[in-house]
Amino acid sequence: EVQVLESGGGLIQPGGSLRLSCAASGFTFINYALTWVRQVPGKGLEWVSTIGGIGTGTYYTDSVQGRFSISRDNSKNTVYLQMSSLRAEDTAIYYCARSAATGGGLTWVFDYWGQGTLVTVSS
Amino acid sequence: VLTQSPGTLSLSPGERATLSCRASQSVSGGYLAWYQQKPGQAPRLLMYGASSRATGIPDRFTGSGSGTDFTLTISRLEPEDFAVYYCQQYGSFALTFGGGTKVEIK
Repeated sequence: EVQVLESGGGLIQPGGSLRLSCAASGFTFINYALTWVRQVPGKGLEWVSTIGGIGTGTYYTDSVQGRFSISRDNSKNTVYLQMSSLRAEDTAIYYCARSAATGGGLTWVFDYWGQGTLVTVSS
Repeated sequence: VLTQSPGTLSLSPGERATLSCRASQSVSGGYLAWYQQKPGQAPRLLMYGASSRATGIPDRFTGSGSGTDFTLTISRLEPEDFAVYYCQQYGSFALTFGGGTKVEIK
C-alpha cells in the first residue's frame, strides 16, 4: 500500500526557517518524482516544488524560488522541503504528493497524497 | 490561468453535475487533470489527460474537452460526491490549479 506522510510543520516567525519531511512507502521510491503542493485553509491549491526521480531535476514556483529547496534521501525514502526567509503568505497546509507515473506527462499529475502539515508564519 | 465555473453548484443526489475549467491559453496535449477534495482531506485524483479516469474512479465521472475548454461531468450525484473539485494543467510550466468548484447539496 502506497503511503505518504508529512511532518515538520509548526509556528515560525517571519524570516525564519523550517524543514518539512515527507516519508513514503509502498512503492519503488527512487523511480518517482515527489511534489509539494500547498493550500491556505479554505482556499485553493498551489504547486510549490517538485523533485524528479533518479537523474532528473528540481523545480519551483516563482514565489519560492531562491527561498525553498527540495531534496531527497533515497536511502530513507524521504523528501525534504527546506524553507527559509519565510513570509506570512507562506502560511498554508503543505501536502506531499507522488507522481502518477515514473516518467512522461504524468510526472506532473499526483495520485497519492499525504494528509498535510500546517505551517503558520506569524510573529 | 485556469478559471473554474461555477464557484458553487447546488444540486440534489441523483442529478447531473457539469463543471467547467477554462484556460487562458491552450493546454498543450490536453494535459488537464481533475481532483476531488473533501473537508479535512487531501485531494484525490479523478481524471488525467482530460478524459482518462484514474484507478478506482467510477464511470459516473467523465472528463472532456481540449484546447482551452474542459468539462467534468458527474452523471448522477451520489452522496459521497459532494465536495470541491479542482482542475490542474500540466501542459506548461509552472503547474497551475483552478480556483475550485464546490458541489453542495441543495
